[in-house]
Amino acid sequence: RKEVEQDPGPFNVPEGATVAFNCTYSNSASQSFFWYRQDCRKEPKLLMSVYSSGNEDGRFTAQLNRASQYISLLIRDSKLSDSATYLCVVRGSARQLTFGSGTQLTVLP
Amino acid sequence: GAGVSQSPSNKVTEKGKDVELRCDPISGHTALYWYRQSLGQGLEFLIYFQGNSAPDKSGLPSDRFSAERTGGSVSTLTIQRTQQEDSAVYLCASSSPGRKYEQYFGPGTRLTVT
Repeated sequence: RKEVEQDPGPFNVPEGATVAFNCTYSNSASQSFFWYRQDCRKEPKLLMSVYSSGNEDGRFTAQLNRASQYISLLIRDSKLSDSATYLCVVRGSARQLTFGSGTQLTVLP
Repeated sequence: GAGVSQSPSNKVTEKGKDVELRCDPISGHTALYWYRQSLGQGLEFLIYFQGNSAPDKSGLPSDRFSAERTGGSVSTLTIQRTQQEDSAVYLCASSSPGRKYEQYFGPGTRLTVT
């Protein structure tokens, strides 16, 4: 079983739609959680950290459920520019981050 | 300010040759990471440097891979006797002392071994 699992998609949604991605992680001792986005043939960029209480940044909301070991990302009022691959990232007791393989999102006009 | 820079952006090499990839982290960032990403795959951790501590080499796939970080800043990843399966994008990231798990990536070096 992979340490971090994501539905690869693709998710194709119309502009203005709300879309949600889930991610599960296997290590119950994981301590930090993030969402990164990666545009085609570009480097990953930090989108947001995920806190236990949940957090929001504009149209983006991240939630963490430690009991079920999953993380979610909700995008409201999606824009064409949101089209990218969204990477779920987890840090365990070790110092390095473990990246999921990503969920591909395409927002259609 | 300036982000993480990597060079070269692209490298084509023949099987069996050695290659060196360079990473210049964001000024003031004490942690530096190397990852690789094969086509359509997730990021694979390779090695991690934190200040003057011994590096975490647990992700290096074989002894053909090595990395060093001079003066706590620039890092070089060396791949000896390259193989075709080494073809990938090699990404470097750095993070600051206060937010050490938020990593900022360079544009990567696309390595092709022919």
